Amino acid sequence: QVQLVESGGGLVKPGGSLRLSCAASGFTFSDYYMSWIRQAPGKGLEWVSYISSGGSGVYYADSVKGRFTISRDNAKNSLYLQLSSLRAEDTAVYYCAREFGDFFDYWGQGTLVTVSS
Amino acid sequence: QPVLTQPPSASASLGASVTLTCTLSSGYNNYKVDWYQQRPGKGPRFVVRVGTGGIMGSKGDDISDRFSVLGSGLNRSLTIKNIQEEDESDYYCGADHGSGTNYVYVFGTGTKVTVL
Repeated sequence: QVQLVESGGGLVKPGGSLRLSCAASGFTFSDYYMSWIRQAPGKGLEWVSYISSGGSGVYYADSVKGRFTISRDNAKNSLYLQLSSLRAEDTAVYYCAREFGDFFDYWGQGTLVTVSS
Repeated sequence: QPVLTQPPSASASLGASVTLTCTLSSGYNNYKVDWYQQRPGKGPRFVVRVGTGGIMGSKGDDISDRFSVLGSGLNRSLTIKNIQEEDESDYYCGADHGSGTNYVYVFGTGTKVTVL
């Protein structure tokens, strides 16, 4: 069965950096586009970033453009999100999600990133 | 890009029906909308996609037949019939606004469904 497991979250100071990972299993990872989506505490969902199946196409929400970098390693069935210049408003649970026909058909359980001094 | 409007809350008695609405902003009446369910403390899961002609494709894994959709004009609705305690969740609608040179996916603010 499809499984997506995020890791790498934690407490980081404003201006700091963090790298999130998403381990995929149960499907041919290299065939699928992937995205990161976040949810601030008590708030709704916000799409963050997208990467094409081969990794050449990447897109970002305006709120994170220039600070976050999405990447993938198809040999390791893994998706990554490098978070830099972090702000308090980046505090959220970050989910990785598989894309299927322009919607997200499978999601992970999320990893919490807290930005605080 | 489109704005998706959802009421903040809805409720229904056990065994009754409830309809959740997602309204697209003006000019986006040909857009498909996706529905996601998020149970407390869990990651979201895909429920169904809806266009102006109704359901598009298949529902998500293990989504009950009690869930149905309708699409008309700017509205994309999700109806839960014979509502059960397990349906108590937050429900989000979303839509892809990508083009050949850009990608954006927008979510509504979500509706919290309470089973009375």
